[in-house]
Amino acid sequence: AQRVTQPEKLLSVFKGAPVELKCNYSYSGSPELFWYVQYSRQRLQLLLRHISRESIKGFTADLNKGETSFHLKKPFAQEEDSAMYYCAPGRVTGFQKLVFGTGTRLLVSP
Amino acid sequence: EPEVTQTPSHQVTQMGQEVILRCVPISNHLYFYWYRQILGQKVEFLVSFYNNEISEKSEIFDDQFSVERPDGSNFTLKIRSTKLEDSAMYFCASRPTQQYYGYTFGSGTRLTVV
Repeated sequence: AQRVTQPEKLLSVFKGAPVELKCNYSYSGSPELFWYVQYSRQRLQLLLRHISRESIKGFTADLNKGETSFHLKKPFAQEEDSAMYYCAPGRVTGFQKLVFGTGTRLLVSP
Repeated sequence: EPEVTQTPSHQVTQMGQEVILRCVPISNHLYFYWYRQILGQKVEFLVSFYNNEISEKSEIFDDQFSVERPDGSNFTLKIRSTKLEDSAMYFCASRPTQQYYGYTFGSGTRLTVV
């Protein structure tokens, strides 16, 4: 079965602190991995995807196939990072249905 | 930057009524999707659409649901006879090609069934 686990519903940190949003997945085959972000009252936005090996807004994510994890990290959180973050694996081939986790709300306090 | 547009932003309907949620995907995109998010729960896949036909649908997408692309620009989700449990945020998404990873989402329609 396809499943995504984001164990923390809420992660509260102070500005400048490091953050790590955890994601573990169970997905048949070798999925592509994504992180989506949803700022208050806005649409889901693609934050980053594993295939691009990119860093967006200071966030990075490392895929660990052995642990089937794709944790999102940022060394120094900013207040504007406060949002809902969703981990989502998807098939590489075919029509790329995404399976979303339940999300983690990141709250960065001044 | 191109956007996926959804209308209305909020719709209230009585149980048993039909609703049509509308989406205008980005113009050169070829793959279209509907997802929904019940309040407090995760975002769930409903259906994917390509080349004017459904390519995949979830267990949620039963006979009460249908999608179509009536005019080459709009992409609609119809719920024939709404139930209370259909109350959710419905997101439309699109992407340009099969080789492009990641979608562009619309801002969603909040459907409230009373």
